[in-house]
Amino acid sequence: DVKVTQSSRYLVKRTGEKVFLECVQDMDHENMFWYRQDPGLGLRLIYFSYDVKMKEKGDIPEGYSVSREKKERFSLILESASTNQTSMYLCASSIGTLTEAFFGQGTRLTVV
Amino acid sequence: KNEVEQSPQNLTAQEGEFITINCSYSVGISALHWLQQHPGGGIVSLFMLSSGKKKHGRLIATINIQEKHSSLHITASHPRDSAVYICAVMIYNQGGKLIFGQGTELSVKP
Repeated sequence: DVKVTQSSRYLVKRTGEKVFLECVQDMDHENMFWYRQDPGLGLRLIYFSYDVKMKEKGDIPEGYSVSREKKERFSLILESASTNQTSMYLCASSIGTLTEAFFGQGTRLTVV
Repeated sequence: KNEVEQSPQNLTAQEGEFITINCSYSVGISALHWLQQHPGGGIVSLFMLSSGKKKHGRLIATINIQEKHSSLHITASHPRDSAVYICAVMIYNQGGKLIFGQGTELSVKP
């Protein structure tokens, strides 16, 4: 079974802190995605990556950056966390452009 | 207007009932996912469809590409089916990016 693992289920951070959310997949998938999920807004794409060291902005990249130094790991970085970044963050991966997506368990981030 | 619309937004059913959740979309797609999310957040992919119909246990998913519509059916519903069901479309020629519906919150009562 494909496994997409997010490093934390729950995180509480202070405003202004630098926050790293880590995602690791174990099936050599090329594509990796970061989404955030908010009530009433559903899931929205923050950033995605098609290969190592490649990244593309999604629909809501402001306030975020990403890093993909190794194929299996895709990190989401909040340079200076703000309260409006309190959300559920979901990582996903897929092997190609017409294949099933696999999701991590989600990280519920609270910024206080 | 959202590019992916689901209905209903909320659904309460009695155990054993047949359930249908609908998804309509307004963009060209290469495939459509039905996802299940239980309380706590993790998402599981139930189906990926690009045409026709798929069945897995008590779950059936259909898609009509011409009408830009998909349905998820649950037969003989059970309380363990209670979850949020999300329709997500893979936009044609945009490399695996998904656009999501708002989700349908299903509660099945014993």
